Amino acid sequence: DAKTTQPNSMESNEEEPVHLPCNHSTISGTDYIHWYRQLPSQGPEYVIHGLTSNVNNRMASLAIAEDRKSSTLILHRATLRDAAVYYCILSSFGTSYGKLTFGQGTILTVHP
Amino acid sequence: DAMVIQNPRYQVTQFGKPVTLSCSQTLNHNVMYWYQQKSSQAPKLLFHYYDKDFNNEADTPDNFQSRRPNTSFCFLDIRSPGLGDTAMYLCATSRDDPTDTQYFGPGTRLTVL
Repeated sequence: DAKTTQPNSMESNEEEPVHLPCNHSTISGTDYIHWYRQLPSQGPEYVIHGLTSNVNNRMASLAIAEDRKSSTLILHRATLRDAAVYYCILSSFGTSYGKLTFGQGTILTVHP
Repeated sequence: DAMVIQNPRYQVTQFGKPVTLSCSQTLNHNVMYWYQQKSSQAPKLLFHYYDKDFNNEADTPDNFQSRRPNTSFCFLDIRSPGLGDTAMYLCATSRDDPTDTQYFGPGTRLTVL
């Protein structure tokens, strides 16, 4: 499985934008980029995913580099509820379903 | 309404005493997964079912087994728990589409004494 590299931790202030980077230099053409987050004492939850184009949904935006070797998850206005571990994960559509291999993730701290 | 339910939420067992964790889903998804998450670590896939087909990860200990009697339910059996099996156990489901979201349950926190 192609691997991802994320910073161990990041900090933000409430209501400010947050840009969470992810490097995936060995990504293959069949790999989708997924982001999940895990709030304290909960199971992970889906945030967003993409293949080549930038993506937006109600939770966040995903900016994918043109060469696909890196991506950035953007939280437009951080809230205290966004404090979580954010995982950037690759899954291949070469299989018939998406198997996720979690890396260590980025611990996001949001200050009031 | 909860879509992936795990029972119990907390389980304490003794060293070597078999334990079964339960997962049920209301999403009618083909694929069900079991992950182990130790303290301050990322979730690690143990195995998954694609319909009735069982797929074990290469490094999952033989001590861990699973059953899926029907689409809705999946069980994780730990035959002889060791102290190192203390962890959060997460169940997840998805459709048979590699782009599809995985839906996770709240987890069962297992403590082995």
